Amino acid sequence: KAGVTQTPRYLIKTRGQQVTLSCSPISGHRSVSWYQQTPGQGLQFLFEYFSETQRNKGNFPGRFSGRQFSNSRSEMNVSTLELGDSALYLCASSFSLGAGGGNEQFFGPGTRLTVL
Amino acid sequence: GQNIDQPTEMTATEGAIVQINCTYQTSGFNGLFWYQQHAGEAPTFLSYNVLDGLEEKGRFSSFLSRSKGYSYLLLKELQMKDSASYLCAVAAGGGNKLTFGTGTQLKVEL
Repeated sequence: KAGVTQTPRYLIKTRGQQVTLSCSPISGHRSVSWYQQTPGQGLQFLFEYFSETQRNKGNFPGRFSGRQFSNSRSEMNVSTLELGDSALYLCASSFSLGAGGGNEQFFGPGTRLTVL
Repeated sequence: GQNIDQPTEMTATEGAIVQINCTYQTSGFNGLFWYQQHAGEAPTFLSYNVLDGLEEKGRFSSFLSRSKGYSYLLLKELQMKDSASYLCAVAAGGGNKLTFGTGTQLKVEL
């Protein structure tokens, strides 16, 4: 069974640009969550999508947005990039909505975004 | 809001036992997860606790006390490959949102 895949793996952008990252969950998983990981702040929750609807949102500005398609694939977009957006963006998928035993999240390898 | 604390770094010897502690403050607790993350790799799931007590999985065990807001991850028979960051994460409210601690970097030495 293939794991969570994320594209691209690495990305370099300049301030003010926008970026779109893609995540394909494990087959059969309907929940996709996005996290930002930085050395100073650790892993921080961005948002979660289930059945094409945003179910949870973290404390990030409106420049960060996402969506989910009918095949459960998800994209996140960051507009007007800032230097502080440089981070590893991780996507995680799980079978259903609701953290619990048997519904653990599986993480993808991440997209390393560098903003110059 | 939620607050999760765990030590930043720990060092242990190959073959030994190490305990990594995690304390948390949250409302609407739905469970506590432990993940392992090697440098440059994705976090991988280790354990889940929602009820008080000990969950054992091979060389790894995790304990939870909800009244104390406390968990620990116990690693036995340490191997060099166990050198990694160990992340404590709390699920609260609905959905799959996890709030992570900053991670404990474990170094296993000969």
